[in-house]
Amino acid sequence: SQTIHQWPATLVQPVGSPLSLECTVEGTSNPNLYWYRQAAGRGLQLLFYSIGIGQISSEVPQNLSASRPQDRQFILSSKKLLLSDSGFYLCAWNRDTYNSPLHFGNGTRLTVT
Amino acid sequence: KNQVEQSPQSLIILEGKNCTLQCNYTVSPFSNLRWYKQDTGRGPVSLTIMTFSENTKSNGRYTATLDADTKQSSLHITASQLSDSASYICVVSAWESGGGADGLTFGKGTHLIIQP
Repeated sequence: SQTIHQWPATLVQPVGSPLSLECTVEGTSNPNLYWYRQAAGRGLQLLFYSIGIGQISSEVPQNLSASRPQDRQFILSSKKLLLSDSGFYLCAWNRDTYNSPLHFGNGTRLTVT
Repeated sequence: KNQVEQSPQSLIILEGKNCTLQCNYTVSPFSNLRWYKQDTGRGPVSLTIMTFSENTKSNGRYTATLDADTKQSSLHITASQLSDSASYICVVSAWESGGGADGLTFGKGTHLIIQP
């Protein structure tokens, strides 16, 4: 069976510090990978998605970036965090087939102070 | 602009009662509609996926309906349990995305609380 791991679960970082969130998927190959952000009272916002190693599409221009160094590894980064980067970050994967559901990790609660 | 509106924003019901959550969308051209359950502090989990040709789909005590003509969907929960307390998110996919996640529009969710 497939599993998705996301860490850390919670993170408190000062403004201006760097960020690295990691996500890995097990039990499948060549998944589509996604980073979402969920702000309180708002819907999920797609930040980045990747259909393969080194292939990253950005949906929202911001100070965040994503990388996919390996087939089942997806990393969300920032060089300098802003207060507005606080939120709940979710990694997800699905198969490259029609109607394939998204499978989410358990998220990272990021608080920028 | 593609939009998904869910109602109510929040709902409190007693354990054992039934409830219905609503989802209206303006996504076009429509591909499919999904309902997810999100427990507090966890990632969403898929409950159902429906294409335009499907009117209803069940998953245990959860039954989703879809009216593609009026662009409305509902999620009915039967005999609610304490574990049903969660946010329920409606997600609609646009056709040109091939159903891919980059073409999804998320609702803000309905926060459901089941009281003993």
